[in-house]
Amino acid sequence: DTGVSQDPRHKITKRGQNVTFRCDPISEHNRLYWYRQTLGQGPEFLTYFQNEAQLEKSRLLSDRFSAERPKGSFSTLEIQRTEQGDSAMYLCASSGMGRTSYEQYFGPGTRLTVT
Amino acid sequence: AQSVTQLDSQVPVFEEAPVELRCNYSSSVSVYLFWYVQYPNQGLQLLLKYLSGSTLVESINGFEAEFNKSQTSFHLRKPSVHISDTAEYFCAVSAGNQGGKLIFGQGTELSVKP
Repeated sequence: DTGVSQDPRHKITKRGQNVTFRCDPISEHNRLYWYRQTLGQGPEFLTYFQNEAQLEKSRLLSDRFSAERPKGSFSTLEIQRTEQGDSAMYLCASSGMGRTSYEQYFGPGTRLTVT
Repeated sequence: AQSVTQLDSQVPVFEEAPVELRCNYSSSVSVYLFWYVQYPNQGLQLLLKYLSGSTLVESINGFEAEFNKSQTSFHLRKPSVHISDTAEYFCAVSAGNQGGKLIFGQGTELSVKP
């Protein structure tokens, strides 16, 4: 069990550029979640997948944000035309099915800085 | 919709003293409750959870939390803290019918001083 991994760990980009983050969940987990955490705040839910199906998206997820999980394994989160307000820690979590679906395991996060 | 309020943003305490981190939630449906801990420069880790059954739940490192439905609270307690407990603690809720997404509180920074 290698845990949830995220890549890159840090990303600095200029305003207006596109960025893509990757999350690899725990191998047997079929649910995958994305959250965003800004300084001094708790994580905020963005979206989640069950297998390859994206089942819910938060209103926080503007049209510039898109997430995919093409084969029900890893997931990508893309932000187009980045803005300074997108600077945050982007967290990925995964969970299993049944009662274990409520135990989410988090990755280390990707810290995005938009200059 | 659910919401979580952590009543203290910072809690300084001396080593070996007791501590309570307060958490209140709001929900119109049954919820599951969680405490996560984030040590400096590390990811979020599940500390303990309440899904059903006994309202008092315990972690392996001496923390406990009690689900109080009438007061809509899930306060976290430890009778004697260590320097190593210094971290950010997040309370979270998940509605049983909403796919497991977590709604987090703002966090409480626990600072244990020698």
